[in-house]
Amino acid sequence: EVELLGSGGGLVQPGGSLRLSCAASGFPFSTYGMSWVRQAPGKGLQWVSSISNSGTSTYYADSLKGRFTVSRDNSKNTLYLQINSLRADDTAVYYCAKHFVVVVAGARTYGMDVWGLGTTVTVSS
Amino acid sequence: EIVLTQSPGTLSLSPGERATLSCRASRSVSGRSLLWYQQKPGQAPRLLIYAASSRATGIPDRFSGSGSGTDFTLTISRLEPEDFAVYYCQQYDTSWWTFGQGTKVEIK
Repeated sequence: EVELLGSGGGLVQPGGSLRLSCAASGFPFSTYGMSWVRQAPGKGLQWVSSISNSGTSTYYADSLKGRFTVSRDNSKNTLYLQINSLRADDTAVYYCAKHFVVVVAGARTYGMDVWGLGTTVTVSS
Repeated sequence: EIVLTQSPGTLSLSPGERATLSCRASRSVSGRSLLWYQQKPGQAPRLLIYAASSRATGIPDRFSGSGSGTDFTLTISRLEPEDFAVYYCQQYDTSWWTFGQGTKVEIK
């Protein structure tokens, strides 16, 4: 069964740091790109960051650049998100998601087909 | 950055009724890059539709997607009790992703 298990969330003081992890199983992890998506309490989904299957290419939402670092260890089937200088508005559930690629009408199309349960980050003093 | 605007914010309908959800992009997007997700309280999002109109694996045929350019639609032909949830459209543009703000489909 394809599964993503997020961990590493918790209560952190403003200015602190946290590293989130997402353990993957049931699929060839090194074949797929991955993303982090967050959801503040009572709010919608916000894309945070993506990483290519090899880890050589990384992408970040413009509003979040600089404090977030995505990485992966394909030998451990694990995705990471390092968050520094945490602020109150970083409080959210952080989901990891697996990318998929299919060919539609002769062209590649992408999406996120498997999502982890999410790990909660609370930034408060 | 492409902005996706969903309407209405909330849709109040009864089981068995038809739901029509709209997603408008701030500029033209490829239909191949438009997706729809369903999210229920306390759960992760679930992929419903990719490439604007292709149903994901296991998604019932009462869900359908359509549209092109800047205007896209998710239609639920006959609402079942388990369909009351929040729905998000999403698009990607050369490795950058954005979501709409969501439409809540609630029981009337």
